[in-house]
Amino acid sequence: DADVTQTPRNRITKTGKRIMLECSQTKGHDRMYWYRQDPGLGLRLIYYSFDVKDINKGEISDGYSVSRQAQAKFSLSLESAIPNQTALYFCATSRGNTGELFFGEGSRLTVL
Amino acid sequence: EDQVTQSPEALRLQEGESSSLNCSYTVSGLRGLFWYRQDPGKGPEFLFTLYSAGEEKEKERLKATLTKKESFLHITAPKPEDSATYLCAAPHNTDKLIFGTGTRLQVFP
Repeated sequence: DADVTQTPRNRITKTGKRIMLECSQTKGHDRMYWYRQDPGLGLRLIYYSFDVKDINKGEISDGYSVSRQAQAKFSLSLESAIPNQTALYFCATSRGNTGELFFGEGSRLTVL
Repeated sequence: EDQVTQSPEALRLQEGESSSLNCSYTVSGLRGLFWYRQDPGKGPEFLFTLYSAGEEKEKERLKATLTKKESFLHITAPKPEDSATYLCAAPHNTDKLIFGTGTRLQVFP
């Protein structure tokens, strides 16, 4: 089993729908991150969490929210999806501030 | 503004044809430069961390080097299985990584 698991792997939805992407990890890491990847723009940080009680906005948090339900679980929500949120979303973990991130396989979201 | 820039955007090599990928950064007080490999449809996979100018790290056909303003990923005698997108990243504000847009490497037999 993967150390960092994302569900769903693929999702097609319509504008205005609420969407949740889930991430769980078995690495025992304290830090978790959500990134989105777009062609030509690279990986951009949406939200990050250093422990269960700590949530921080990244560079592109507008239109997104997160929940850290446990050390091992970090969910990303789109309250009302819009087409420009169509992207590949990655969850990642790290132990402390090492810069060595462990990524999930990604969740491809298409908003029509 | 902290920034990480990679070049070229894409690189096509014949098997065995060595080359280098560039990562230049404008991050004040650099606290590490990181290289990742990303295969199509997969999440990035960590390769190297470099902390100081002059430092080098090697893994199979890859060698990463660091100067005060840029890092290079040298690929010696590449094979088709080295085909991937290579990303570099640097920490911003001590705790968040800024990623470059990557170099897409294709190695042909």
